Amino acid sequence: GAVVSQHPSWVICKSGTSVKIECRSLDFQATTMFWYRQFPKQSLMLMATSNEGSKATYEQGVEKDKFLINHASLTLSTLTVTSAHPEDSSFYICSASRQGVGGSPLHFGNGTRLTVT
Amino acid sequence: GNSVTQMEGPVTLSEEAFLTINCTYTATGYPSLFWYVQYPGEGLQLLLKATKADDKGSNKGFEATYRKETTSFHLEKGSVQVSDSAVYFCALISGSARQLTFGSGTQLTVLP
Repeated sequence: GAVVSQHPSWVICKSGTSVKIECRSLDFQATTMFWYRQFPKQSLMLMATSNEGSKATYEQGVEKDKFLINHASLTLSTLTVTSAHPEDSSFYICSASRQGVGGSPLHFGNGTRLTVT
Repeated sequence: GNSVTQMEGPVTLSEEAFLTINCTYTATGYPSLFWYVQYPGEGLQLLLKATKADDKGSNKGFEATYRKETTSFHLEKGSVQVSDSAVYFCALISGSARQLTFGSGTQLTVLP
């Protein structure tokens, strides 16, 4: 079946540094990928929609200059948390669906646990 | 807009008990409905889905029926196991939107 790979699975960084998270669709092409953020014991909050070859669409309240998204190919989207601060510590999850398949369930990566010290 | 209302947890059951997690939705048009499961420290896995009214999704002993008249998609399992302990999310996709709208999640703990 379709698989979405997310890397790294966890990362610890110092405040002020930047962290890049990769999301890959391994056996299908995904023109659209989604980035979610999940706080402990809460639901997933959509941060942005990543579109291959164009700018990402950010949800209200999400800082586009802080959370940089690049969707350079049909199988790869990256999320870079710039100048990270402790409040950015969270669980980040990406998802993707097969290109052109209506109603197709989204496939999720295993998430990245970011801890900013 | 679209929304998903999910039974609040946490839910604690003994092994082999019957499980129901309620989910109701509001959506424009005819949404596709999903249940996802999240095990500790992991991402989400699709558990089951239904794409039209009266469809029943099933997987690993879990079932949910798409009820258009009550706008519901309740998750059920006849006999839960300890390994079913996880967080369960009800979700929908509606219209041309490709992103999921999630419920708040229900934490299930099954005790031996």
